[in-house]
Amino acid sequence: DGGITQSPKYLFRKEGQNVTLSCEQNLNHDAMYWYRQDPGQGLRLIYYSQIVNDFQKGDIAEGYSVSREKKESFPLTVTSAQKNPTAFYLCASSITAGKPQHFGDGTRLSIL
Amino acid sequence: DAKTTQPPSMDCAEGRAANLPCNHSTISGNEYVYWYRQIHSQGPQYIIHGLKNNETNEMASLIITEDRKSSTLILPHATLRDTAVYYCIVRVDLTSGNTGKLIFGQGTTLQVKP
Repeated sequence: DGGITQSPKYLFRKEGQNVTLSCEQNLNHDAMYWYRQDPGQGLRLIYYSQIVNDFQKGDIAEGYSVSREKKESFPLTVTSAQKNPTAFYLCASSITAGKPQHFGDGTRLSIL
Repeated sequence: DAKTTQPPSMDCAEGRAANLPCNHSTISGNEYVYWYRQIHSQGPQYIIHGLKNNETNEMASLIITEDRKSSTLILPHATLRDTAVYYCIVRVDLTSGNTGKLIFGQGTTLQVKP
């Protein structure tokens, strides 16, 4: 079955640590996205990539970093510079930018 | 992207049709209407989208008014598993110069009851 896989489902971070969230898709989609969702809120765009080896900052990129070395993978690193990292992180992909996006099941990050 | 207005919550009896309204009175000619839903603690799920014609797929139907200022998502036979927050989004469907980001409002919480 084609889809988007995010791992882990739950992640805990200590103060000062960097953590990396995995996002893999086997849909052969060019575009991939990372969003953050806080309780009772909508989605906010962190980073997006329209094609492999290229990515751009979204609305709230500070404290985050990404890479897009392979078409199917778009990992997100939450760095220690992100002061309020506790949130639900969602990865999405689409055939090309502007087309319907399909989401993974998310990673819930908490601070210990 | 145009703003949308949805009722905060709705109830529907299991097996009946669920009709979820959305107002988008400032929609532009090149903006599409998208519907997503989010079941608790899961990622949003794409349902359907359309420009001006009514659309139907295996999940739902989308009815867009002739002036395009409002639309209705129809789940023909709602089940308990359809309980979720439903988001109506309006955005341009371009492939160049478009970040593609989705802007979710508060959505409508649909509660399907036995």
